[in-house]
Amino acid sequence: SQQGEEDPQALSIQEGENATMNCSYKTSINNLQWYRQNSGRGLVHLILIRSNEREKHSGRLRVTLDTSKKSSSLLITASRAADTASYFCATDPSRNQGGKLIFGQGTELSVKP
Amino acid sequence: NAGVMQNPRHLVRRRGQEARLRCSPMKGHSHVYWYRQLPEEGLKFMVYLQKENIIDESGMPKERFSAEFPKEGPSILRIQQVVRGDSAAYFCASSPGQGGNEQYFGPGTRLTVT
Repeated sequence: SQQGEEDPQALSIQEGENATMNCSYKTSINNLQWYRQNSGRGLVHLILIRSNEREKHSGRLRVTLDTSKKSSSLLITASRAADTASYFCATDPSRNQGGKLIFGQGTELSVKP
Repeated sequence: NAGVMQNPRHLVRRRGQEARLRCSPMKGHSHVYWYRQLPEEGLKFMVYLQKENIIDESGMPKERFSAEFPKEGPSILRIQQVVRGDSAAYFCASSPGQGGNEQYFGPGTRLTVT
């Protein structure tokens, strides 16, 4: 079954606006991670938030985690055209044998200059 | 400090041929993960290996697919008798430890089966 599901599937905004992406998951987790993927490229790790954390910041990124609702959000403030990419959440389930990540389908973000 | 290396970056195979994908983890990382990404989809876990050991292969198809991570050299994902449905991007990731750590991804190998 799908562990992480992102919402929305696609998001189009103007440069300078904020972009918010949401992720829901089904099972308990050790941590949740957000990755970015530019078209045709590999994944770049953005941020990791552990199950006992509620909020984390990194530059223009802000991630929240609500384990009671099994959801997370990624906020990109003051977006730039270079932020155009697909964004994936990935969960590390609690009953994990060894750290495999379960990815969602991704949110495709387009930032127009 | 070189990142995760994968080669080849692009691989074209005819149906029935074998595909070999290589992954060299980051220096100091002994944990390797393989994921597959179909067009317009997220990544799906395939297999997790440590040196000379397969730890979790719950995402590997039962037939035609195998993986290894020898004591020396890169990790290899091998697909025998490829079919069109194997066309995908295959990503390798490495981490310094088991679980709870971020994974560093390679650029991927794009396999096209004609």
